[in-house]
Amino acid sequence: NAGVTQTPKFRILKIGQSMTLQCTQDMNHNYMYWYRQDPGMGLKLIYYSVGAGITDKGEVPNGYNVSRSTTEDFPLRLELAAPSQTSVYFCASIFSGGDNEQFFGPGTRLTVL
Amino acid sequence: AQKITQTQPGMFVQEKEAVTLDCTYDTSDQSYGLFWYKQPSSGEMIFLIYQGSYDEQNATEGRYSLNFQKARKSANLVISASQLGDSAMYFCAMTNSGYSTLTFGKGTMLLVSP
Repeated sequence: NAGVTQTPKFRILKIGQSMTLQCTQDMNHNYMYWYRQDPGMGLKLIYYSVGAGITDKGEVPNGYNVSRSTTEDFPLRLELAAPSQTSVYFCASIFSGGDNEQFFGPGTRLTVL
Repeated sequence: AQKITQTQPGMFVQEKEAVTLDCTYDTSDQSYGLFWYKQPSSGEMIFLIYQGSYDEQNATEGRYSLNFQKARKSANLVISASQLGDSAMYFCAMTNSGYSTLTFGKGTMLLVSP
């Protein structure tokens, strides 16, 4: 199993540009999450999904959108990028009926200039 | 709302010594889970240990143990016999019985010296 994979690893955006951060898991996990980590801080929840077609907002959803059309994929869309969105983005997943460990992807480092 | 507080921005310990990283939490839920994650300089999030709110025994995983004091709402991580590879950022986190979303503290940077 590859676990949770994220692409790209790094990206630089100009203010106002848009992009999609990709997240895929091959563990058949039903719950998936997006977190952001600002410098020197802990992770904050952006959006989460409990299954295909079901998403909900987390603590910091403004400026982002998500979709979940399949169990495996949970892309995060940034519209009109702003410098405040400079952060490291982590995708995570878990099987709701299994162990409590959330599996994290390696992260995407995004800089908005 | 849930809240995690880690009051130690940084900790120093010598190799082979034990170290305790503090974590206090606040929640109105009766059922919740407490986690510790390690984040080395490479950036990945590594799961260390989990404690459920109804677990009577403190969780242990190898050199890691979680000192769970429910009445004090604390969930301190104890690392025994520190190693140089333990140098990293450590995050305490909690989840409720809902959709397993995690609330993180700000972290503690641990430096292990020879």
